[in-house]
Amino acid sequence: EVQLVESGGGLVQPGRSMKLSCAASGFTFSNYGMAWVRQAPTKGLEWVATISYDGSSTYYRDSVKGRFTISRDNAKSTLYLQMNSLRSEDTATYYCTRERLRVMDAWGQGASVTVSS
Amino acid sequence: DIVMTQGALPNPVPSGESVSITCRSSKSLLYSDGKTYLNWYLQRPGQSPQLLIYWMSTRASGVSDRFSGSGSGTDFTLKISGVEAEDVGVYYCQQGLEFPRTFGGGTKLELK
Repeated sequence: EVQLVESGGGLVQPGRSMKLSCAASGFTFSNYGMAWVRQAPTKGLEWVATISYDGSSTYYRDSVKGRFTISRDNAKSTLYLQMNSLRSEDTATYYCTRERLRVMDAWGQGASVTVSS
Repeated sequence: DIVMTQGALPNPVPSGESVSITCRSSKSLLYSDGKTYLNWYLQRPGQSPQLLIYWMSTRASGVSDRFSGSGSGTDFTLKISGVEAEDVGVYYCQQGLEFPRTFGGGTKLELK
């Protein structure tokens, strides 16, 4: 069974940093691209970043470029999202997703991030 | 960026009725490989999104055959034949053609 389990969320002050992790199991992690998608309270889904299966390519939405870094450790089957210079508009539930052939076919349960003083 | 626009449903919908959810993209999602990169997801209340339909018309594993996807390069439809209680939630379309990946605003389905 495919499982994606996010961790590392919580309350953080504006301007500070936070790192999310996503532990993957039930599939060969190194064969799949991975992505982060977020959902602000009561809002819709918003793609944040994608990383290729081997980490050689990364893509970001404009509003997080230069502040967020997506990375992966294939030996540990873990995906990361390093978030720096956090803003109130980054407050959301962050979902880890598996992406293959342009389809997000598995989702984690989400990690809540609240940016507030 | 490709803009995805979804239509609304005449909620609440009577159980057993068939409904269609529409989605329009600002650019054709038909790629040179012949695939149309339009995906549909359902987010049930309090849950994570789940994949329903990918590449416009291919049902994901384990998804009921009451769900079907169709469309052209820019206009798409998700049809639910005979809505049931478990279908309640918000439906999202998403384009996988290019980055940034973009989602529609969501279409809420409520049952009468």
